[in-house]
Amino acid sequence: DTAVSQTPKYLVTQMGNDKSIKCEQNLGHDTMYWYKQDSKKFLKIMFSYNNKELIINETVPNRFSPKSPDKAHLNLHINSLELGDSAVYFCASTGAGWGEKLFFGSGTQLSVL
Amino acid sequence: DAKTTQPPSMDCAEGRAANLPCNHSTISGNEYVYWYRQIHSQGPQYIIHGLKNNETNEMASLIITEDRKSSTLILPHATLRDTAVYYCIVLGPNFGNEKLTFGTGTRLTIIP
Repeated sequence: DTAVSQTPKYLVTQMGNDKSIKCEQNLGHDTMYWYKQDSKKFLKIMFSYNNKELIINETVPNRFSPKSPDKAHLNLHINSLELGDSAVYFCASTGAGWGEKLFFGSGTQLSVL
Repeated sequence: DAKTTQPPSMDCAEGRAANLPCNHSTISGNEYVYWYRQIHSQGPQYIIHGLKNNETNEMASLIITEDRKSSTLILPHATLRDTAVYYCIVLGPNFGNEKLTFGTGTRLTIIP
């Protein structure tokens, strides 16, 4: 079983559309994240949720709205997609103890045309 | 801002040991050194982490200097599948609330 799974793997859409990316982890972790990796391959944190509560919001446009229905899921909804939103989006999760590891999903490649 | 500095790229011959350095001169006493790697465009993968002592697992060894201001990740027998970008990250003990920041990493190329 995949520890952190994201769907879809590829997403191609037109500017102005609204789309969602789903993430689920079966590790029993308390904290989940969304990262964005742009064309320059720089990984930037977008959001962090702990037990369904928003912990970190890294100056991401409010067109991006994360939603955590339960601590195993963290979905990312994007409104009014723009060309600059094209990137690979990674979901990740971690536990809450000392020296915990971060587990990443395989990524969603979003292409806005 | 990343708390670490790494060389942008390195090459290593297949079968040899790959030694990847990382400087973290501002590390605090309770911060861990973590290493992750990203193969092509897959999700980053955990490799190893340590606090003060050297660590070894099935993937790699981590050597941390006595003053903890730098460390070296060692892949003992590099294979072509080890070609990836390697990230060195410094994190507090309970980093759920921290802004995990990945720097630019070291692009390691294993040469046949």
